[in-house]
Amino acid sequence: GQSLEQPSEVTAVEGAIVQINCTYQTSGFYGLSWYQQHDGGAPTFLSYNGLDGLEETGRFSSFLSRSDSYGYLLLQELQMKDSASYFCAVRDEAGGFKTIFGAGTRLFVKA
Amino acid sequence: EAGVTQFPSHSVIEKGQTVTLRCDPISGHDNLYWYRRVMGKEIKFLLHFVKESKQDESGMPNNRFLAERTGGTYSTLKVQPAELEDSGVYFCASSQESLAGRETQYFGPGTRLLVL
Repeated sequence: GQSLEQPSEVTAVEGAIVQINCTYQTSGFYGLSWYQQHDGGAPTFLSYNGLDGLEETGRFSSFLSRSDSYGYLLLQELQMKDSASYFCAVRDEAGGFKTIFGAGTRLFVKA
Repeated sequence: EAGVTQFPSHSVIEKGQTVTLRCDPISGHDNLYWYRRVMGKEIKFLLHFVKESKQDESGMPNNRFLAERTGGTYSTLKVQPAELEDSGVYFCASSQESLAGRETQYFGPGTRLLVL
């Protein structure tokens, strides 16, 4: 079957670093993406990893290890506005490369 | 450039009624996806259009759900008759390419459906 596992909630303080992990099980794999969703808003694309290693985009970095079926999103210098839900998503070869999303990790940033 | 838009933003209906959701993707995007999120759970794939063709509808729950994309532009998702378990947020997303590899999906704000 297809599944993605990520923690349901994470709490951190402003200025800190937080890592959100994601493990996946899919029949095929064509990349791991991360999306951010603020309450009441639309999910927005953050990052993509197609190959193993670290991708950095400003305060956000994403890592992938295909051999471990594992990735993470790293948020540095946390700000209050980073409080949101973060979804990992995998492109699966089943049915024309559809995207499978995890249940999301709710990040609470405290002052 | 306008983003993905969805209508209505909210819908409250009674069990047994019909509701039609609309999605206008970003102009020029061939790929259009429908997803549903029930509170606290995953963003669940429903179906994928490439232009006007259904590429994958494996996520559609049952035959009470009908999606169309006439002319390869906007799409509608009709639920008839609606049941209590259909409640949730229905998201539409569009993208430019569907090849293996990197794909950025642009999501609409969602339609919050409540079936009473």
